[in-house]
Amino acid sequence: QLQLQESGPGLVKPSETLSLTCSVSGGSISNSNYYWGWIRQPPGKGLEWIGSIYYSGSTYYNPSLKSRVTISVDTSKNQFSLTLSSVTAADTAVYYCARRGRYGSHWYFDLWGRGTLVTVSS
Amino acid sequence: DIQMTQSPSSLSASVGDRVTITCRASQGISSSLAWFQQKPGKAPKSLIYAASSLHSGVPSKFSGSGSGTDFTLTISSLQPEDFATYYCQQYYIYPLTFGGGTKVEIK
Repeated sequence: QLQLQESGPGLVKPSETLSLTCSVSGGSISNSNYYWGWIRQPPGKGLEWIGSIYYSGSTYYNPSLKSRVTISVDTSKNQFSLTLSSVTAADTAVYYCARRGRYGSHWYFDLWGRGTLVTVSS
Repeated sequence: DIQMTQSPSSLSASVGDRVTITCRASQGISSSLAWFQQKPGKAPKSLIYAASSLHSGVPSKFSGSGSGTDFTLTISSLQPEDFATYYCQQYYIYPLTFGGGTKVEIK
C-alpha cells in the first residue's frame, strides 16, 4: 500500500523559506502513471493547489505562488520536496502532499498524505 | 484561472436524507472533475473522478454527474460518517482549482 508522509519544520519565521519533503513508501515515485503535488489549506479555509512535478522533473506551479515556489524530485530517495520563499503569516497552513494518478485520460488526486501544519511566526 | 463555485456552502440534513451538492465551473471543463470528502483534522479523501466515476473503495451511495460547467455530487442516504466537508476540483487545465467547499452538518 503506497503511502505519502510529509516532513519538515512546523514553525518558520517571516521572510524565511519554508521547506517540506514528502516521502513515498510502498511504491516507486518514478512510475509514469503519476504526478506528485502539494496542496495547502489555511486554518478554517479551503484547499489551494501549490504545484505538481513529474518524476522526470517537469513542474507546474500555481501562478499565484510561482515566484516563490520550487518543487523538486529525488528519485534515488523516492521523495519530492517543496520550498516556499519569503513566507508571511498568510502562508500558515496545513500542507499536504498528494499523488495524481492516471485513470484513462483522467489525472486526479487519488492519494493524500496526512498533512503537516506549518505556522509562520516570529 | 477556472473558478469553481460550490453551492450551498453549508447544509443541514438528517440521517437517511438524500443530499445534493452543486459545483459550477467558470468555463467548460468537459468531465475533468473530482470530488473529495474531508473530515475535521483529516486529509481529504477521493470520492469521484471523471465527474461520475467512483474512486476505488468508495460506497455506491455516492454518485456524481455533469459535464461542461455544471456538476453535482449526490449522497443517496446520508449516514453519520458522511457528515463532513465536500470539495470539487477541476483538473482540465492548470492551475488546478478547488471549489470553496460544502459543509454537511447534522440537523
